[in-house]
Amino acid sequence: NAGVTQTPKFRILKIGQSMTLQCTQDMNHNYMYWYRQDPGMGLKLIYYSVGAGITDKGEVPNGYNVSRSTTEDFPLRLELAAPSQTSVYFCASSYHNQETQYFGPGTRLLVL
Amino acid sequence: DAKTTQPTSMDCAEGRAANLPCNHSTISGNEYVYWYRQIHSQGPQYIIHGLKNNETNEMASLIITEDRKSSTLILPHATLRDTAVYYCIVRPNNAGNMLTFGGGTRLMVKP
Repeated sequence: NAGVTQTPKFRILKIGQSMTLQCTQDMNHNYMYWYRQDPGMGLKLIYYSVGAGITDKGEVPNGYNVSRSTTEDFPLRLELAAPSQTSVYFCASSYHNQETQYFGPGTRLLVL
Repeated sequence: DAKTTQPTSMDCAEGRAANLPCNHSTISGNEYVYWYRQIHSQGPQYIIHGLKNNETNEMASLIITEDRKSSTLILPHATLRDTAVYYCIVRPNNAGNMLTFGGGTRLMVKP
């Protein structure tokens, strides 16, 4: 199994641009999550999904959108990039919400 | 949600045991204690979790006090590759709950 994969690894955006961060897992996990991590800080939950077609907001959802059309994929959309969205984004998945979360390698995003 | 308190940083000599404390004095009965670590620039990695009994796996041991108000993660023989930020997380055991990462403890294993 590849586990949780994320693309791209690194991206520079201009203010106001949009982009989609991709996340795929091959472990048939029901739950998927998006976190952001600012320098020197812990992770904050942006959005999560408990299964295909179901998503919900986390702690810091503003400025982001998600969709979950399949079990495997959970893309994160930034519509109007802002410098405050400069961060490292981690995707994670788990079979149940009480189970261990497995994290991807992260996407580093710089908004200038 | 219960919150956790961890030291900001710790050092450990290579080959010695690393004991990382965590205080979670407001933990409630159905909340688990989870430990994750994050090696520089990588995604967090699960280490171990427990409810009230001590737990051990191939990576570490978790010692939870009888009153469950604190716990200690033990890396029995720390190596340089164990240098990372270690997060102690208390997690409610109900649907929709998520991991809440605090600041963690930055463990530096030194030769």
